[in-house]
Amino acid sequence: QLQLQESGPGLVKPSETLSLTCTVSGGSITGDPYFRGWIRQPPGKGLEYIGSLFYNGATYYNPSLKSRVTIYEDTSKNSFSLRLSSVTAADTAVYYCARYVRYSDRLDTWGQGTLVTVSS
Amino acid sequence: QSALTQPPSASGSPGQSVTFSCTGTSSDVGGYNLVSWYQQHPGKVPKLIIYDVAKRPSGVPDRFSGSKSGNTASLTVSGLQAEDEADYYCASYGGDNTYVFGSGTKVTVL
Repeated sequence: QLQLQESGPGLVKPSETLSLTCTVSGGSITGDPYFRGWIRQPPGKGLEYIGSLFYNGATYYNPSLKSRVTIYEDTSKNSFSLRLSSVTAADTAVYYCARYVRYSDRLDTWGQGTLVTVSS
Repeated sequence: QSALTQPPSASGSPGQSVTFSCTGTSSDVGGYNLVSWYQQHPGKVPKLIIYDVAKRPSGVPDRFSGSKSGNTASLTVSGLQAEDEADYYCASYGGDNTYVFGSGTKVTVL
């Protein structure tokens, strides 16, 4: 059974870089029709799509975050990562990784999510 | 890339039906039959319950149904049960590899 698991620091200082990794087990999500996605949800608020890593290595980033976001594949192809630079308190959120299914554009498998707090 | 518009709340009694909307533009909801709906219980991970406007993943009860007209998609929950009390988010493909969520609707079972 496909599983995704986020990992990384739960506390990041303002102006620093948030780094998270999503480890995939029980299956592969690296080929067509799958993309790898990141989503976040500030406490008490709605979902925001951060961006996608496509099977050909290309990326899509939410325009509101584009200048600060990088999504990339790790050397171990069983994981992919998110970097968000120059963070502020507004970046405090639960961060999810997910499998994005192309052609029907749905997020059908999600990680458990990890809370990242931006605070000094 | 603005969030899709959903009513903040909806409610119904057990056994009744509740329907709520997800309004976008001709660039997202209206332009593609690629609307999804996610259910999220408090403190839990969002769960896909509808995709391609009206398709249900395996295991999702047929009490959940989706539809679309123009730039507005809708989710109907029939035969409301206590376990349906949750937040519901729509999402849509928006062209050029974009993906946008709705603002979310909190469903209360009275």
